[in-house]
Amino acid sequence: NAGVTQTPKFQVLKTGQSMTLQCAQDMNHNSMYWYRQDPGMGLRLIYYSASEGTTDKGEVPNGYNVSRLNKREFSLRLESAAPSQTSVYFCASSDPLQRNTGELFFGEGSRLTVL
Amino acid sequence: RKEVEQDPGPFNVPEGATVAFNCTYSNSASQSFFWYRQDCRKEPKLLMSVYSSGNEDGRFTAQLNRASQYISLLIRDSKLSDSATYLCVVNRGSASKIIFGSGTRLSIRP
Repeated sequence: NAGVTQTPKFQVLKTGQSMTLQCAQDMNHNSMYWYRQDPGMGLRLIYYSASEGTTDKGEVPNGYNVSRLNKREFSLRLESAAPSQTSVYFCASSDPLQRNTGELFFGEGSRLTVL
Repeated sequence: RKEVEQDPGPFNVPEGATVAFNCTYSNSASQSFFWYRQDCRKEPKLLMSVYSSGNEDGRFTAQLNRASQYISLLIRDSKLSDSATYLCVVNRGSASKIIFGSGTRLSIRP
């Protein structure tokens, strides 16, 4: 009964380093998302994948890349980390969104600090 | 101006009190509405959807006013376990158009 699993849970990087956040879901959901959450800002969408084989930019995609490896997995890559990318990152999944539904299932979050 | 606005709080109320939060949204094309709950340093979880006719789930009541473009959440007989941040979420009908408010922090004191 894992739901959405994110790794790593914590990471400290130096400016300019790269890393990949991994996300996997076992609910057979089509859609997957990456959000970041900063104090006072709410959750902001970085990238999403409406279905396997497709990815699209969200509100704040600059500095990130994503890969929808298969239906289960959606990874987020920081090619050259910057202090502005210090944040809590959440992966989420859902069934295709329909009117009056649209529950997002979130992973536990990945806390990233860029020095 | 943010597309979804919430009073950040914190609301600090005694156990057993009734507390209400409002959330306003600016885009009239918004289609569906939700309240999520987020505990400290945890992931958000769906609390309830919000329907035009209003809906209730135990001690929680959600209302939608499309004319005035606001959503409300009422918590009756509040419990210590209700302490959390409540996120208002608006969906404009596609994956890229799910907008989260920045949350209202609620603290229930004994």
